[in-house]
Amino acid sequence: EVQLVESGGGFVQPGGSLRLSCAASGFTFTNYWMTWVRRAPGKGLEWVANINQDGGERSYVDSVKGRFTISRDNAEKSVYLQMSSLRAEDAAVYYCVRHSWYTFDVWGQGTVVTVSS
Amino acid sequence: QSALTQPRSVSGSPGQSVTISCTGTSSDVGGSNFVSWYQHHPGKAPKLMIYEVSKWPSGVPDRFSGSKSGNTASLAISGLQTEDEADYYCCSKAGSNRSVFGGGTMLTVL
Repeated sequence: EVQLVESGGGFVQPGGSLRLSCAASGFTFTNYWMTWVRRAPGKGLEWVANINQDGGERSYVDSVKGRFTISRDNAEKSVYLQMSSLRAEDAAVYYCVRHSWYTFDVWGQGTVVTVSS
Repeated sequence: QSALTQPRSVSGSPGQSVTISCTGTSSDVGGSNFVSWYQHHPGKAPKLMIYEVSKWPSGVPDRFSGSKSGNTASLAISGLQTEDEADYYCCSKAGSNRSVFGGGTMLTVL
């Protein structure tokens, strides 16, 4: 079964850091770009970042540039999102997504990030 | 990058048809055939419904169909069923290796 399982969400104060992880299974991980998408409370889906198959190409939405870093470990079949200098507006459910030609075809169940003092 | 524009809500009765629009610019929707649509039931993972403007992933019924004209893409749902009630999002390529979602449309099946 093709599956993505996120972990690492939690409660953090503004200015803090958090590292999200996503474990992939059931498909050839190295064949795909991977993406993080988030949905803040009361808002819509937002593309956050993506990474190509070997990790050499990474892109970010402007609002997280310089604060978030996406990475992957192909041996572990995992993708990560290191988040720092967190703001209240970063609070959201973060989804790990398999990505092929700008189509997000497999989604994880999401992990919740809460940013509050 | 601004979110694509979708109506906040649409509604229809069981068996009826509805259409959800998604308006962008020539830099995203108008300039790309990489437009996709996602269904999101609260608390669940979003689900791909249409990709590359009008293609169906395996398992998605052909009651759902996609199209595009100029800077506006559309998702049509025919034969509405109660389980279609959800949030729907369009998404487009928006530059090299970048994507942008629409603001989302809440579909209510009356």
